[in-house]
Amino acid sequence: AQSVTQLGSHVSVSEGALVLLRCNYSSSVPPYLFWYVQYPNQGLQLLLKYTSAATLVKGINGFEAEFKKSETSFHLTKPSAHMSDAAEYFCAVSGAGRRALTFGSGTRLQVQP
Amino acid sequence: NAGVTQTPKFQVLKTGQSMTLQCAQDMNHNSMYWYRQDPGMGLRLIYYSASEGTTDKGEVPNGYNVSRLNKREFSLRLESAAPSQTSVYFCASSESSGTDTQYFGPGTRLTVL
Repeated sequence: AQSVTQLGSHVSVSEGALVLLRCNYSSSVPPYLFWYVQYPNQGLQLLLKYTSAATLVKGINGFEAEFKKSETSFHLTKPSAHMSDAAEYFCAVSGAGRRALTFGSGTRLQVQP
Repeated sequence: NAGVTQTPKFQVLKTGQSMTLQCAQDMNHNSMYWYRQDPGMGLRLIYYSASEGTTDKGEVPNGYNVSRLNKREFSLRLESAAPSQTSVYFCASSESSGTDTQYFGPGTRLTVL
């Protein structure tokens, strides 16, 4: 079975500051890893996806994530936060069976002016 | 191109009532999913359908049934609603397996009194 742990249910940064959202996973097979974003009262949309092609994955809106097998991590970063980045972010893994995604509990990002 | 659509957007039920949540996608995807989202718990998979004519249980299937009516439509039924089923329900679809990007609908907010 696979699982995802997101450290920090709430993260607050100042506008222009670095954004770092943490995700650790467990999987019995090489994982496929995803970051999704959910804006208030909306569904989820894909930010980026790791499929083993490259360890550093670039996504939309200036976000990127690095796959580190030795640390079983897939942390999400953005060099400079914008007010529009305020949302909830979910890390997800597709592991053994490849049938569906297992989501983390989410991290709510607040951006202060 | 509407993507994934869900009806209704909001619903209030009394304990013991039944209802069906509807989901349709126009992307010609093979796989469809039903998740529920509860605060602090991320998204949990209720049922999924890998292809037309097949359905499988996810992490939290108790109290729910599903029907894959055709390739486009995947409905979720609550036969006898309970307060524990108060949640936001999301439908998603993907081209094929769990390694593909999933596209989410806007959600149905269900309250069971």
